[in-house]
Amino acid sequence: DIQMTQSPASLSASLGETVTIECLASEDIYSNLAWYQQKPGKSPQLLIYDASSLQDGVPSRFSGSESGTQYSLEINSLQSEDAATYFCQQHHDYPFTFGSGTKLEIK
Amino acid sequence: QVKLLQSGAALVKPGASVKMSCKASGYTFTDYWVSWVKQSHGKSLEWIGEIYPNSGATNFNEKFKGKATLTVDKSTSTAYMELSRLTSEDSAIYYCTRGLLQDYFDYWGQGVMVTVSS
Repeated sequence: DIQMTQSPASLSASLGETVTIECLASEDIYSNLAWYQQKPGKSPQLLIYDASSLQDGVPSRFSGSESGTQYSLEINSLQSEDAATYFCQQHHDYPFTFGSGTKLEIK
Repeated sequence: QVKLLQSGAALVKPGASVKMSCKASGYTFTDYWVSWVKQSHGKSLEWIGEIYPNSGATNFNEKFKGKATLTVDKSTSTAYMELSRLTSEDSAIYYCTRGLLQDYFDYWGQGVMVTVSS
């Protein structure tokens, strides 16, 4: 199975700041990477697909990038509503696998 | 608009089975795969498997083979997942999702909380 190592497990940042969350794939996943946001008591919601494409309706302060097998989610100009847990997911090969999640707290 | 409406929470005894549903609306049900994802309390997400409503074809995570059975009813645009021989390890929230073949999940159901307890 492809392992997705996500970091950090948690982070705290202030309103207006920029944060970066990373996922390292154990092998090449050819940009088949999605990012999801999950708020407490809610279902995950798609933010980014194909590593860097923004899902319709998602604010442009969210962006994705890649470098080799390292994938990053950047959130600019943090808003209070960005407090959530973020997951990466590879869909290059079966079984699809997720990162362990990053809990973002807004100070 | 696309919606995936899942059945309600379930409390089941160890050793029993549970069957949950996921009713799709707002799109052509047979055009997309339905995946099921497990989220144990406070933990990450695990992909269980997927089914293509048009043909009934399935793909499974080896870990859940023998545990989960996926079916669909095209006449009602509803997907089902049955979990068998339940143990406490099966207590979790289960989500259905929509996606294309080997693709990301663009819509998720609201989740079904399954509690296994005597």
